[in-house]
Amino acid sequence: SQTIHQWPATLVQPVGSPLSLECTVEGTSNPNLYWYRQAAGRGLQLLFYSVGIGQISSEVPQNLSASRPQDRQFILSSKKLLLSDSGFYLCAWSASWRGGNTIYFGEGSWLTVV
Amino acid sequence: GENVEQHPSTLSVQEGDSAVIKCTYSDSASNYFPWYKQELGKRPQLIIDIRSNVGEKKDQRIAVTLNKTAKHFSLHITETQPEDSAVYFCAASINTNAGKSTFGDGTTLTVKP
Repeated sequence: SQTIHQWPATLVQPVGSPLSLECTVEGTSNPNLYWYRQAAGRGLQLLFYSVGIGQISSEVPQNLSASRPQDRQFILSSKKLLLSDSGFYLCAWSASWRGGNTIYFGEGSWLTVV
Repeated sequence: GENVEQHPSTLSVQEGDSAVIKCTYSDSASNYFPWYKQELGKRPQLIIDIRSNVGEKKDQRIAVTLNKTAKHFSLHITETQPEDSAVYFCAASINTNAGKSTFGDGTTLTVKP
């Protein structure tokens, strides 16, 4: 069966510091990969998605970036964090070879920028 | 692009009552409609989904209906229990390679014992 893991689970970072969140998917190949952000009590905002290695599409302009160095690895980064970057970050995947586009989420990473 | 509106934003019911959450979508090409449940501090998890060639789907106390003509779909929870309390998200997507889904803003359901 397929599983998705992301880490770290929680982190507190000062303003201006860098960020790296990592996500891996197991049990499938060539998945679509996504990064979502959820502010406290709010909905799901799609930040980036990727349909293949090195292919990244950005949904919203921001100081974040994403990379996909391997088929099942997705990384969210920032060079300098802002207070507004605080939130719950969710990595997710869907099976590109199968219709239906069910999105499966990782456990999430709580980021607090102080 | 696709736009999904979800109502109500909050819903409070007594245990045992039914709860209904409604979503409308804008893109007539959307053909897949999942519903997710997110408990506090946890990840959203799929609870039920429906495709455009089906009008209704049921799984125990949960059911989803789809009206393609009106471009709306609804989640129905019967005999609600306190553990049904959570945030529920609807979504709509087109069966394309990108697999992107557009989510509603969520409904916070509270089931009072």
